[in-house]
Amino acid sequence: QSALTQPASVSGSPGQSISISCTGTSSDIGAYNLVSWYQQHPGKAPKLMVYEGSKRPSGVSNRFSGSKSGNTASLTISGLQAEDEADYYCCSHADSGTWVFGGGTKLTVL
Amino acid sequence: QVQLQESGPGLVKSSETLSLTCTVSGGSITTHYWNWIRQPPGKGLEWIGYMSYSGTTNYNPSLKSRVTISADTSKTRFSLKLSSVTAADTAVYFCARVSLVAGTFDPWGQGTLVTVSS
Repeated sequence: QSALTQPASVSGSPGQSISISCTGTSSDIGAYNLVSWYQQHPGKAPKLMVYEGSKRPSGVSNRFSGSKSGNTASLTISGLQAEDEADYYCCSHADSGTWVFGGGTKLTVL
Repeated sequence: QVQLQESGPGLVKSSETLSLTCTVSGGSITTHYWNWIRQPPGKGLEWIGYMSYSGTTNYNPSLKSRVTISADTSKTRFSLKLSSVTAADTAVYFCARVSLVAGTFDPWGQGTLVTVSS
């Protein structure tokens, strides 16, 4: 069970849009529509931002959106704000009922 | 509103067993599935495993031989035991509830740092 692949870092200026990719395999992302995304600020617990690939929990800004194509999922954040600066992790259900996380992406708001 | 809180020793000696407890408030562990997830310092998240109160368990294959997740009879606590620890097991350990239908880990505990010393 290997970690999902995410870019180590992305950056953008306030107001811009950025996307974070998450690449898996046909045994995880490609097999199930159960990809979720988490935001983690330093020293804090992760917070659910997107689930089932593209759904947002109540209270999460509509600036956050998700998508999936084949073995790759993506998180897009539009209208970047300073408070969006954090680490972001994808997660997918995998074969044998297990779960696998991505390595994490550090978002810097310039 | 369900809240989770991890507790246990912050320092464990190498080759010994790491034991942590997650206390659930505002609900019980008799429904849903309950997980442990860890994060080594400066690194990413790693799913350890989950349990249900009925006794179903599932573990990360890379840790399966050393991990036990079990429920407390109080119906509000569940625990993690990780045997034969090494420095590589030093991490912040989080407990979290998962919905197997939606694939969501929510809520999470605040996490607790466990350091393995030689």
